Amino acid sequence: DQQVKQNSPSLSVQEGRISILNCDYTNSMFDYFLWYKKYPAEGPTFLISISSIKDKNEDGRFTVFLNKSAKHLSLHIVPSQPGDSAVYFCAASALNNNDMRFGAGTRLTVKP
Amino acid sequence: GAGVSQSPRYKVAKRGQDVALRCDPISGHVSLFWYQQALGQGPEFLTYFQNEAQLDKSGLPSDRFFAERPEGSVSTLKIQRTQQEDSAVYLCASSLGTAGKQFFGPGTRLTVL
Repeated sequence: DQQVKQNSPSLSVQEGRISILNCDYTNSMFDYFLWYKKYPAEGPTFLISISSIKDKNEDGRFTVFLNKSAKHLSLHIVPSQPGDSAVYFCAASALNNNDMRFGAGTRLTVKP
Repeated sequence: GAGVSQSPRYKVAKRGQDVALRCDPISGHVSLFWYQQALGQGPEFLTYFQNEAQLDKSGLPSDRFFAERPEGSVSTLKIQRTQQEDSAVYLCASSLGTAGKQFFGPGTRLTVL
């Protein structure tokens, strides 16, 4: 069962513009959400997280928005840079549960 | 070391062979996780250790899969009698506490012929 879904397998944006990556989840017990970035031949690296008590968390060019009622989160990257080109995974877990569920990933390409 | 390391990085096995994949977590990290990532998919949870105790092995796909972390640091994932469907990238991750963000290794790409 796919509890975390990233419905866009790929996204292409122009350098300097905003990238918006979306993620939906089905399990209402999830209360901690993360975004990971993955380059080829490397493991995923942590990017940003948000707990369910917040609806926004910002770190430099990266902002994550959480809409609990819609069970939806998004990652905004602004301005996008070519070095941001990677696969982005959305992940979710319950704080008292170590079983973290990942989406299938979205491949972001930022064109110079 | 600075991060999670895994070895080997690539492994080719003939169907029916046994393989052992090693994970060195970040020093001092209590929790260790194994994931299986098929092509075009996100990582899927296999098993979780808190120190040397294997607290959750619900994601292991069959009894051919076995993991251990005998001294609470290095972990080994063993797959017996490998099958073609075992071909995937196996990722190890560790975290400082019992929940929260996980730090991933580079993975071991297993190809079963």
